[in-house]
Amino acid sequence: GESVGLHLPTLSVQEGDNSIINCAYSNSASDYFIWYKQESGKGPQFIIDIRSNMDKRQGQRVTVLLNKTVKHLSLQIAATQPGDSAVYFCAENRQKTSYDKVIFGPGTSLSVIP
Amino acid sequence: DTGVSQDPRHKITKRGQNVTFRCDPISEHNRLYWYRQTLGQGPEFLTYFQNEAQLEKSRLLSDRFSAERPKGSFSTLEIQRTEQGDSAMYLCASRLSSSGNTIYFGEGSWLTVV
Repeated sequence: GESVGLHLPTLSVQEGDNSIINCAYSNSASDYFIWYKQESGKGPQFIIDIRSNMDKRQGQRVTVLLNKTVKHLSLQIAATQPGDSAVYFCAENRQKTSYDKVIFGPGTSLSVIP
Repeated sequence: DTGVSQDPRHKITKRGQNVTFRCDPISEHNRLYWYRQTLGQGPEFLTYFQNEAQLEKSRLLSDRFSAERPKGSFSTLEIQRTEQGDSAMYLCASRLSSSGNTIYFGEGSWLTVV
């Protein structure tokens, strides 16, 4: 039967291609952003983070871009591999206040086609 | 293993029973967080501690839920009189407040209420 309530955005890419996962945030007070990867049955795993005073940050095979004007965040994965198949969450936090909790977006499911 | 450790990983309980989950954070991490995650959704913040002090609680944390961190190290999350709607994965995370804002998650404790 059909599952009720599951509406996870999905992205399918061919192995070796680049992947771009997008995220919109709503709170202009957020000044710290994190991308997490979550494999089935496991906890979220830190990938990369970026502060609001930056537009771009690169890691190993991953790049995060931040556009504060339109409140948009993206994660680029170069040369996507089967092991990259997972759900990816963007998350936000606000460092300058006593507020200290990381708030997660809805997530995107990435499937890599061998 | 020096990551966040959670126990038990899986728990099946009958409706109305009490359950308790334990979290051991990364050594010397003074902040500890509890999140809840249901299928297809991102983790939702429940509560967090700085050392032994519980600093914030979400409205999701009903009176049946209680979290403690008595010695500022491990934490427990107890759910009393469980309901089927409590079925979820309960995630623990930790960080050192003086060293960046990224929180690191454990593998979670799956709860199924039958």
